[in-house]
Amino acid sequence: AQTVTQSQPEMSVQEAETVTLSCTYDTSESDYYLFWYKQPPSRQMILVIRQEAYKQQNATENRFSVNFQKAAKSFSLKISDSQLGDAAMYFCAYEGRNNDMRFGAGTRLTVKP
Amino acid sequence: KAGVTQTPRYLIKTRGQQVTLSCSPISGHRSVSWYQQTPGQGLQFLFEYFSETQRNKGNFPGRFSGRQFSNSRSEMNVSTLELGDSALYLCASSFTTGRHNEQFFGPGTRLTVL
Repeated sequence: AQTVTQSQPEMSVQEAETVTLSCTYDTSESDYYLFWYKQPPSRQMILVIRQEAYKQQNATENRFSVNFQKAAKSFSLKISDSQLGDAAMYFCAYEGRNNDMRFGAGTRLTVKP
Repeated sequence: KAGVTQTPRYLIKTRGQQVTLSCSPISGHRSVSWYQQTPGQGLQFLFEYFSETQRNKGNFPGRFSGRQFSNSRSEMNVSTLELGDSALYLCASSFTTGRHNEQFFGPGTRLTVL
């Protein structure tokens, strides 16, 4: 079964600085999707960024970018110029051929002013 | 466009009872997925419905069931509630099924089982 591991339960970053959240996954499939979701306190979960496994180029969305290392099964999220509104739980997720999404345990990001 | 709505937002039940949760997807979306979120197990996929048919099912007992109506609204039912069913139940909708579709999440229904 595919598993997703987020080894950092909590991370902290100073406003305007850069932080990287780690995610590794285990799979025997070659075609899959990876996601980072953000869940702010008491607010709805939203998609931050998405990566298709067959695409070599790392996905970017404004201040958010990923470092996708397919051979190492690693999918880290970099947040540049951190803002107070970035404070949230971040979940890494995997979706394979079965279309059932599997999530990591989450990383709670705190942004210090 | 209105987002995904879930009702009720909060629910308290006792062991052995059953519960029905409702999810209204974004207008035009035909796929609805359900997830359970607990502090211990994290986020776990329950099932996905598309065009009134269950497409996928996670590893949950048969006490957890769902359905989707012709207007794409979905309900999930949990029978014979157990203490461990206390969780935030999230619903997500997407335009169609398939991994390339972005899922939009609702605010969730927080179920407490006493």
